Amino acid sequence: QAQLVQSGAEVKKPGGSVKVSCKASGYTFTSHGISWVRQAPGQGLEWMGWISAYNGNTNYAQKFKDRITLTTDTSTSTAYMELRSLRSDDTAVYSCARASYVPYHYDSWGQGTLVTVSS
Amino acid sequence: DIQMTQSPSTLSASVGDRVTITCRANESISRWLAWYQRKPGKAPQLLIYKASTLQSGVPSRFSGSGSGTEFTLTISSLQRDDFATYFCHQYNDFSQTFGQGTKVEIK
Repeated sequence: QAQLVQSGAEVKKPGGSVKVSCKASGYTFTSHGISWVRQAPGQGLEWMGWISAYNGNTNYAQKFKDRITLTTDTSTSTAYMELRSLRSDDTAVYSCARASYVPYHYDSWGQGTLVTVSS
Repeated sequence: DIQMTQSPSTLSASVGDRVTITCRANESISRWLAWYQRKPGKAPQLLIYKASTLQSGVPSRFSGSGSGTEFTLTISSLQRDDFATYFCHQYNDFSQTFGQGTKVEIK
């Protein structure tokens, strides 16, 4: 049974950066990709990007492409999402989800990580 | 980006009721639509993908239908464990988008 476990809540200042981790277990990490989505308070879900755990290929949403970097560490089966130049409207719950391709449905999700951006 | 309009936003129902939730896209997404269930404090669970394919392990009381721009999720006989929020997800193109969610409450 695939499981994704994310790192804990973060509080960051405007202009800073955050790096959220997503540790996979229960499946062959390199056989699937990982998508990242976020949900700001009172807003809908928003897709941010996808990374292939097989070869590191990425696909970013246009809105985030200048501020986001997705990476993986195959030795620890962990995916990372780094978002830079944080603003208050980046306050959201960030989630990773397993997606074999992009675009594709998500058959396993992380529990979500709250990132609060506040001065 | 493709807009997904999900309705209703809230639904009150009783155990045993048949429940239908709708997602409409503002342009055709073929059958590239998934449905998820989300409960407070838990990771979302995939119920249906490609509009009507039941994810392994999901009870058969859940079903999906539709193509093009209109899709439905049906729960044939609502169980206590089904009180949750449901949302749709279109993945027809890279700018995949989501419905706003439907909260199914106990009547």
